[in-house]
This record gives sequence, C-alpha cells and structure tokens, in this order.
Amino acid sequence: GDSVTQMEGPVTLSEEAFLTINCTYTATGYPSLFWYVQYPGEGLQLLLKATKADDKGSNKGFEATYRKETTSFHLEKGSVQVSDSAVYFCALRTGQAGTALIFGKGTTLSVSS
Amino acid sequence: DAGVIQSPRHEVTEMGQEVTLRCKPISGHDYLFWYRQTMMRGLELLIYFNNNVPIDDSGMPEDRFSAKMPNASFSTLKIQPSEPRDSAVYFCASSFPGTNSPLHFGNGTRLTVT
Repeated sequence: GDSVTQMEGPVTLSEEAFLTINCTYTATGYPSLFWYVQYPGEGLQLLLKATKADDKGSNKGFEATYRKETTSFHLEKGSVQVSDSAVYFCALRTGQAGTALIFGKGTTLSVSS
Repeated sequence: DAGVIQSPRHEVTEMGQEVTLRCKPISGHDYLFWYRQTMMRGLELLIYFNNNVPIDDSGMPEDRFSAKMPNASFSTLKIQPSEPRDSAVYFCASSFPGTNSPLHFGNGTRLTVT
C-alpha cells in the first residue's frame, strides 16, 4: 500500500544552519505531496505542497521539490531559526487511498541559539 | 474563517466512562477526517466522511469507537467504554475534495483515561 518514510529524528541544529529532512514515498497513481508542521500543543499546519512531478513547494523559507524519479520530497531551509523548532510531517494524498492523507512518522527539529 | 474547531481541548476520564469528542469542520468542506496521534503509533486515520457519509472506517480500533456526522457542520467521535490505551490526542480535519486539496486540522483533543 501507499506509504511515507521520513528520516528519524531528532534533528538538532544551531541557529542559521542548513536544514534537510528526507522524505520518500511509495504510491500507486499520482499523489500530491505535503509537508505539515506541528508546534507543541497545537494541531498540524500545512507548510507547503506540490501536486505534480518537478513542482517546488515553498513557504516561510522552506522548500521541497517533488521528485518522481527518486520518489522523494525532501524538506530544506537555508537558515533555521529557534522558532522553527517543531515536528515536521511528510504526507501524501492519492485517490487510491480514498483521499485520506498518509503521514510519515514525523521528524522532531530542535534549533538552539 | 475560524478553522476546524474541536472540543473539548482536554478530557480526563476514568476507565469505563463514555467519552464524546466534537468537531466543527470548515464551512464548505466536503470531507471530514478523524485521526489519532500517539507516540508509539504516530498519526492514524480512524475514519473519514464525504458529504456526511462514512466512507472508510477501517481504522476504527474496535466496536468501542463510533463516529457520526449528522450534518455538514458537526461530527462526533464516541468511545464507550473508554480504556487507558485510548489515551491519545484526537484530531479532526476537513478538506475540499481532490488529491490536491490539503487537510485543515483542528487543535486536537487530548484524552487521558485513568
């Protein structure tokens, strides 16, 4: 079945460091891909999305490119801030899955000043 | 828009009691989802509705769990009787149809069963 695999955390970085969180997926059909962020005590917020191959989603300095050839959707940010500390979830949505989101297990990011 | 609204934010109850979680989706969204989040299992889809009709409830753990959507602006998730292993954060989400549409999540209900 469809699935999402994320790199295990936690990821610990200093402020202004470069961030990469790896995400790969398995899906039949043509999924849309999403990154969500969850701050402590809150729900999941959409960070960015890409709906077809080679699309780049971007928001708040974060970027991810839909790579069909490598079935990947890695999240990157050039310079992280303390306020970026959160849990990040990669997810896919396909018609095959009955339109529900399938999530990875999440990656905890901790940024220190 | 106020977003997806869930209540209560926190619920503490004793084993064996009935628990009802509530959700108001974003107006105009056709789909409503219930997810459960735990440290061990991550985010699990419990059930989802399309136009108030349950489409897939294969994620509902057992018969103790039930969900309803009596109209387009309200849904409930009920656990009866509750057990300690039901302790988790329960999220409701809603969306427009289509693979491209993101889900919008509420802030969740943190359930503790003692």
